[in-house]
Amino acid sequence: AQSVTQLGSHVSVSEGALVLLRCNYSSSVPPYLFWYVQYPNQGLQLLLKYTSAATLVKGINGFEAEFKKSETSFHLTKPSAHMSDAAEYFCAVSGSGGYNKLIFGAGTRLAVHP
Amino acid sequence: EPEVTQTPSHQVTQMGQEVILRCVPISNHLYFYWYRQILGQKVEFLVSFYNNEISEKSEIFDDQFSVERPDGSNFTLKIRSTKLEDSAMYFCASLGDPSTDTQYFGPGTRLTVL
Repeated sequence: AQSVTQLGSHVSVSEGALVLLRCNYSSSVPPYLFWYVQYPNQGLQLLLKYTSAATLVKGINGFEAEFKKSETSFHLTKPSAHMSDAAEYFCAVSGSGGYNKLIFGAGTRLAVHP
Repeated sequence: EPEVTQTPSHQVTQMGQEVILRCVPISNHLYFYWYRQILGQKVEFLVSFYNNEISEKSEIFDDQFSVERPDGSNFTLKIRSTKLEDSAMYFCASLGDPSTDTQYFGPGTRLTVL
């Protein structure tokens, strides 16, 4: 069985500060891992994905995530937060093969203040 | 850029009524999915569909739910007799080449059951 735990339902940072959103996963098969972002009243947009290639994955809008098998983690970071980064972020896992269902974490709402 | 579209954006219905949520996946995509997100909760997988049949369904997807691809473009989710607890945001997603591993999500339909 697969599961995802996102630590911190709400994270607040100052504009220009480091963003760190935590994600830990559990998977009995080599996982594929994803971060999606949801802006208010919009759908889910893919930020980045890990599919067993490079462990450091770069995504859109300056975000990146590092797959650490020993820690079963896939934390999302951005060096400098922007006001436009305020949104809800979801970590998700699937079994190998993109056609498999996504199992989502509970989400982390990121607030960015001036 | 191609995108997944969903209609309506908001559906209000009375308990016990049938609803059909519609999705137009990205053309030439072959794998289709429905997910739902109850307010304040995580995004949950409902069903996946490939080659005109269900490939996987969750425990949520009981006999009250059905999916159909009635023509070459639409993908629908039907709830036969809605319950209060069916109130949620319903997301459609599609995937083309499994090697890309990326499910593209629509903007969602907010279903409110009164």
